[in-house]
Amino acid sequence: EDKVVQSPLSLVVHEGDTVTLNCSYEVTNFRSLLWYKQEKKAPTFLFMLTSSGIEKKSGRLSSILDKKELFSILNITATQTGDSAIYLCAYHNAGNMLTFGGGTRLMVKP
Amino acid sequence: DAGITQSPRHKVTETGTPVTLRCHQTENHRYMYWYRQDPGHGLRLIHYSYGVKDTDKGEVSDGYSVSRSKTEDFLLTLESATSSQTSVYFCAIRKPGQETTGELFFGEGSRLTVL
Repeated sequence: EDKVVQSPLSLVVHEGDTVTLNCSYEVTNFRSLLWYKQEKKAPTFLFMLTSSGIEKKSGRLSSILDKKELFSILNITATQTGDSAIYLCAYHNAGNMLTFGGGTRLMVKP
Repeated sequence: DAGITQSPRHKVTETGTPVTLRCHQTENHRYMYWYRQDPGHGLRLIHYSYGVKDTDKGEVSDGYSVSRSKTEDFLLTLESATSSQTSVYFCAIRKPGQETTGELFFGEGSRLTVL
């Protein structure tokens, strides 16, 4: 059965800290892995990863995929209070569906 | 802005009553999805549609039905609401060209409470 597991479930840090969020998956017919950020409402797209070892970067956020070990990490450096959110990872399979993990709730304190 | 409007945004209802949630899009995209979100479960797919009158079940479809009589509207119906269907419901669309990336664009969500 396909599944995606995120860890930790929740995390509290202080501004300026660096955090690493984890996403492991067991899927058949893998096409891509996606990261989303969800603040108070709709999830918004961050990254899409298809190839191992190639880092995607956007400002202080970066992500990388390891297709051999079946995991991805999302790094946030120099965290800010505006980074407080739920971070969701999801896999995209050949059936053209997105299946999501349970999310990591990040709280950044001033 | 992906041009998605969900209604109602908030609803409180009683067990056993029917409920319909509406997702309206303004860009005539073919693919539309309904997810529910519960603490610890992320987003789970209820039903999806790949065109007018073409719909299929997701992983948590029991107790839900959908209809798509027009491209722009995708309706989610709870025939007889139960407390386990208390959740936040998100509609999503897939834009052309995103079939290979998998990216979805989400509406603002509809919070449903079943008492």
